[in-house]
Amino acid sequence: AQSVTQLDSQVPVFEEAPVELRCNYSSSVSVYLFWYVQYPNQGLQLLLKYLSGSTLVESINGFEAEFNKSQTSFHLRKPSVHISDTAEYFCAVTRGGGSARQLTFGSGTQLTVLP
Amino acid sequence: GAVVSQHPSRVICKSGTSVKIECRSLDFQATTMFWYRQFPKQSLMLMATSNEGSKATYEQGVEKDKFLINHASLTLSTLTVTSAHPEDSSFYICSAGPGLNNEQFFGPGTRLTVL
Repeated sequence: AQSVTQLDSQVPVFEEAPVELRCNYSSSVSVYLFWYVQYPNQGLQLLLKYLSGSTLVESINGFEAEFNKSQTSFHLRKPSVHISDTAEYFCAVTRGGGSARQLTFGSGTQLTVLP
Repeated sequence: GAVVSQHPSRVICKSGTSVKIECRSLDFQATTMFWYRQFPKQSLMLMATSNEGSKATYEQGVEKDKFLINHASLTLSTLTVTSAHPEDSSFYICSAGPGLNNEQFFGPGTRLTVL
């Protein structure tokens, strides 16, 4: 079984400041890792994912995450945040493989960007 | 990415009635669909996994007679909340897969309020 820990439930940050949202996972098998973003009263949108290959993955809106196997982490970073980045962010893990498997989600981190 | 729709987006019903929520994959065939439940300010909790043409697999603690899941085709799964009560009020989210690279695609969610 896998588990995901998001260490910070809330992260307030000023606009244009850098931010890091932390995510640690535990699993005895190889995993795929995901970050999802959820805006109020909406479903989840995939932000970025790690499946294999390069450990640094990037999204189109400036977020990046680095898979660190030794530290079992997949922290999300952005060098300069915008007001529009205010949302709930979920880290998720699933067992690797060739078919759709259930996702295990972290408890979420509310990112609030202040003007 | 692929598109998954949910209908209705919001529903308000009286206690004791049944409510059906539809989840459709619009541009791909989803052999597996997942149903999640999300309480306010909390993470997503997997309720059940359904594979097309077979019975759903429910997570521990989820009443299968209360939350009826049908996955009759590769593009449609339904969740019926039978004899709904106020404690069933929640945000229900479906996801469908597998997509390319074992991805899941999330619907926009359905807000259920039971009076």
